[in-house]
Amino acid sequence: DAGITQSPRHKVTETGTPVTLRCHQTENHRYMYWYRQDPGHGLRLIHYSYGVKDTDKGEVSDGYSVSRSKTEDFLLTLESATSSQTSVYFCAIGGDSPGYSPLHFGNGTRLTVT
Amino acid sequence: AQKITQTQPGMFVQEKEAVTLDCTYDTSDPSYGLFWYKQPSSGEMIFLIYQGSYDQQNATEGRYSLNFQKARKSANLVISASQLGDSAMYFCAMRDISSGDKLTFGTGTRLAVRP
Repeated sequence: DAGITQSPRHKVTETGTPVTLRCHQTENHRYMYWYRQDPGHGLRLIHYSYGVKDTDKGEVSDGYSVSRSKTEDFLLTLESATSSQTSVYFCAIGGDSPGYSPLHFGNGTRLTVT
Repeated sequence: AQKITQTQPGMFVQEKEAVTLDCTYDTSDPSYGLFWYKQPSSGEMIFLIYQGSYDQQNATEGRYSLNFQKARKSANLVISASQLGDSAMYFCAMRDISSGDKLTFGTGTRLAVRP
């Protein structure tokens, strides 16, 4: 599991409500990422972080915000959830070693927005 | 243009046979890394194998090998002696400088191993 824990594992919420997903790592990686997985799209990058309070947008960042106040925690927030944000969300860590090291993923959070 | 293209949405293979999953990529960077991940029905993403653009030899990890053809920009995954447990979704991915060194995924290939 590469020391990554995502919470919650499953969540059902209503349109318009705020939702926060948490990613916790014990590997002390500087780099952390949030992806979403949808059929036919593979995994797409939402936001990423290269260190505490250092975050940036990925290719599908609209409607999402992130925060990283500690090395070990990376939070993904949907300020006002929409049905289009129903998806499986993966946190990943790694890629901060020299060269092209692989990312390691958490087990995912299945989010349903009704 | 798609950075990573996987043209096989689904494939079947007979148990104990070899199978090749196709992946082509698009980058103008001289330095990049190519990765394959496996996603079984349980949902986790499992890193399988890595190939660097400057690596002289094709990567191998147990029954997995990567058929890297740089001029064709292809990085096909070969699974030898397929097992029932190989039934899963397989994703090809790439990191390169022009994508800000972030991991970009293809849409995946679903492999089913028949007994």
